[in-house]
Amino acid sequence: GAVVSQHPSRVICKSGTSVKIECRSLDFQATTMFWYRQFPKQSLMLMATSNEGSKATYEQGVEKDKFLINHASLTLSTLTVTSAHPEDSSFYICSAGGQKDTEAFFGQGTRLTVV
Amino acid sequence: GQNIDQPTEMTATEGAIVQINCTYQTSGFNGLFWYQQHAGEAPTFLSYNVLDGLEEKGRFSSFLSRSKGYSYLLLKELQMKDSASYLCAVMDSNYQLIWGAGTKLIIKP
Repeated sequence: GAVVSQHPSRVICKSGTSVKIECRSLDFQATTMFWYRQFPKQSLMLMATSNEGSKATYEQGVEKDKFLINHASLTLSTLTVTSAHPEDSSFYICSAGGQKDTEAFFGQGTRLTVV
Repeated sequence: GQNIDQPTEMTATEGAIVQINCTYQTSGFNGLFWYQQHAGEAPTFLSYNVLDGLEEKGRFSSFLSRSKGYSYLLLKELQMKDSASYLCAVMDSNYQLIWGAGTKLIIKP
């Protein structure tokens, strides 16, 4: 199957700093990628849909100025958590595909801890 | 609203068979996915059903009834490594994935 690579897998940062997470589709072009957040023992929550060459579409309740998404090429989308706070600590996962009758391919996920 | 229901937790014995149910109410339907997720890892794809019936893939099978808004994932010959959360997800009419909360499966020796 297709491969989506996400980095870093784990990051610890100080409160107030920014963290960038990268999501790459290694063997296919992804015009659309998705960013999810998952709290312990809870379901995946869609944060935003990243569209290549245009602005991301954010889900209700997700602050677009805090979670900056850039999808500058067909193989790379980035999520930047700006001015991170402890409540932003979570597991962030990106995916590509999952549209129409295709399966979604997930990145490895990023465990963010803000101290 | 859109809703996916699946049991929170199930326990089964190594070597046995377990069935994880999923019921859904969504605006439109473009397929149902099952994913496996080990703790601290991203989900991995297990199966996709868009037509009614049973899809078999090795030890795992998935069943769909669109008229009943119902699916199940059947795991045979359970192994300890099958201990994980199993996520049911439905693609709605806008091709958005709606996720269930997942079923934590505990396998006992």
